[in-house]
Order: sequence, then C-alpha cells, then structure tokens
Amino acid sequence: EIVMTQSPATLSVSPGERATLSCRASQSVSSNLAWYQQQPGQAPRLLIYGASTRATGIPGRFSGSGSGTEFTLTISSLQSEDFAVYYCQQYNYWPPYTFGQGTKLEIK
Amino acid sequence: EVQLVQSGAEVKKPGESLRISCKGSGFTFTTYWIGWVRQMPGKGLEWMGIIYPADSDIRYSPSLQGQVTISADKSINTAYLQWSSLKASDSAIYYCAKSSGSWHQSAFDYWGQGTLVTVAS
Repeated sequence: EIVMTQSPATLSVSPGERATLSCRASQSVSSNLAWYQQQPGQAPRLLIYGASTRATGIPGRFSGSGSGTEFTLTISSLQSEDFAVYYCQQYNYWPPYTFGQGTKLEIK
Repeated sequence: EVQLVQSGAEVKKPGESLRISCKGSGFTFTTYWIGWVRQMPGKGLEWMGIIYPADSDIRYSPSLQGQVTISADKSINTAYLQWSSLKASDSAIYYCAKSSGSWHQSAFDYWGQGTLVTVAS
C-alpha cells in the first residue's frame, strides 16, 4: 500500500498571503495525484488532478506541482473561504488509492 | 448537472445489518467508476473500494475486504455499501464519489453529500 504523508499537519497563514502544502508518496505515483479541499460539515471537493490540472471551476490561485514522490499545493493569495482541510490522494496503485492524513489550513 | 444523492442518516445497533445508497444523475452511470470513502469522527478520508456499474467490477481496500460489500444496480443508477453485522467502529460518515474518467485510475470529481452512520447500543 502506498503511504501518503502530508506536511505540515496544521498551517497558520494570514489572509492574502501564500500557502504551500506538501504531500509525499512512499513510492513513485507518477503524476496520478489529486488534491481535495474539505470545509467543515461538507463533502470533499476536487481541486487538482494529474498533479497540476485544476478541476472545473477552481480559481486560478490554486496550483499544483510535482511528480514521482513529491507534490505541492500552492494557494497564491488566501481568501477567507480557503481555510479548510486539504487532502492529497494517489491513484496510481490500487487497491487502495490512498489519501494523505490531511493538512488543516487555519487563519493566523 | 452531475449529482450523487446519498440515503439519509442511520442509527443502528451492533450486530445489525445496513445498506446505504448513492444515486447518480446527470451522467452516464455505466461509464464511470463509483467509489466509497469513509471518514471516521474527526479523522481523515479513507478509500474503501470502487465499483464499475457496467459490469460490477469491484475492488476493495485490503484492510476492509470482507467487512463491507459494494454493489450497484445499473438499471436505477444506484450504488450501494452494505454491512451484514455492524460494529461500533463502523460509525462514520460515508461518501460516494464518481471517477473523473472512465478508467479507474482517476480522481473523484463529484461527491455525494455523505451518509452518517451511527452504531451504538
């Protein structure tokens, strides 16, 4: 099973600043990596797939990069609605298509 | 508009059986995979398994194999997750989600609203 490790567990950033979230895979997952955002009490929402492609309707301030084992989600200028929990998921090796443990992005 | 609508919250006792559902609309149900994801209270997302409704090809997470059963009825565009004997540790929110492509090796682009399952004596 591929283990996905996200860091940090909690990230405190001020509105308007940049946030950088990391995700590491225990072995190469190529570019088969997705990022999801989950607001409290809501279902997850797909942000990025293929490591760097924004999903439909996702604002341009969200960007993904990386391949192999190291991935990054960057939010360029944080808006109030961006404070949430973010998960990465690999879909290269199954089963299962594992998720990371999540990074909570909170207001500083 | 793509939608996945899940059945309502359930409260069950240990040892009882349960089946929850996920009805898809706005897309060709037999062309995509439908997955199930568990979220235990205050915890992260856990991939449980996935089904291709066209032929009921199913893959389970090894850690959950035998604990749950995934099925689908393509005639009514509905996927199911069921338990034959619930445990307190099955208490969680369960999400269904649709694959973004017709191949299983894809992200989940649409999610159901979640079904809260509470198992308590």
